[in-house]
Amino acid sequence: ETGVTQTPRHLVMGMTNKKSLKCEQHLGHNAMYWYKQSAKKPLELMFVYSLEERVENNSVPSRFSPECPNSSHLFLHLHTLQPEDSALYLCASSQDRQAYEQYFGPGTRLTVT
Amino acid sequence: GQSLEQPSEVTAVEGAIVQINCTYQTSGFYGLSWYQQHDGGAPTFLSYNALDGLEETGRFSSFLSRSDSYGYLLLQELQMKDSASYFCAVRDQAGGGNKLTFGTGTQLKVEL
Repeated sequence: ETGVTQTPRHLVMGMTNKKSLKCEQHLGHNAMYWYKQSAKKPLELMFVYSLEERVENNSVPSRFSPECPNSSHLFLHLHTLQPEDSALYLCASSQDRQAYEQYFGPGTRLTVT
Repeated sequence: GQSLEQPSEVTAVEGAIVQINCTYQTSGFYGLSWYQQHDGGAPTFLSYNALDGLEETGRFSSFLSRSDSYGYLLLQELQMKDSASYFCAVRDQAGGGNKLTFGTGTQLKVEL
């Protein structure tokens, strides 16, 4: 247990569906992150939030929409995804953006059919 | 641009010592981290090197040479539970931000 939880753990959705991934951290951290992990590829940073403000968007398609309502919760809203978006989506948090240690959740395994 | 290279797979026997190398190219380098990820699990932090030299934490040690843009993770007295993927990650100023960029990971298989 790293103190970061993600739901759901597995998700299958069609290309026309809308779904949301949820992340919650119980560590009192101020920075939260979304990463995408595909087979044989490095973890790709998608979004960074610091004190509930989005501070980084790494050229992610608009079909992925993040939301950070407070410092403990992070969402990733999904709509009209493509099969190539199938991957493990990992949430992480750190004390602040300058902290070198990130704490990861177990991820959501997403399959787009 | 940024790039990190590490071997894709390493196999070793229980009780042995294994070294996983990582070379990187980046700008505004701050430090090198190592993470462990078991199948189906979350990446977990192992170590961080900002300065040259060896950092030891139990059976695991991590080394950094900033002048060579090179680091390694050393695992001693290997156990079956060490079978996992190991990722190096650089912390740098690339893209104008302070962020982690990960390598593709090294799959370590520990055999009896």
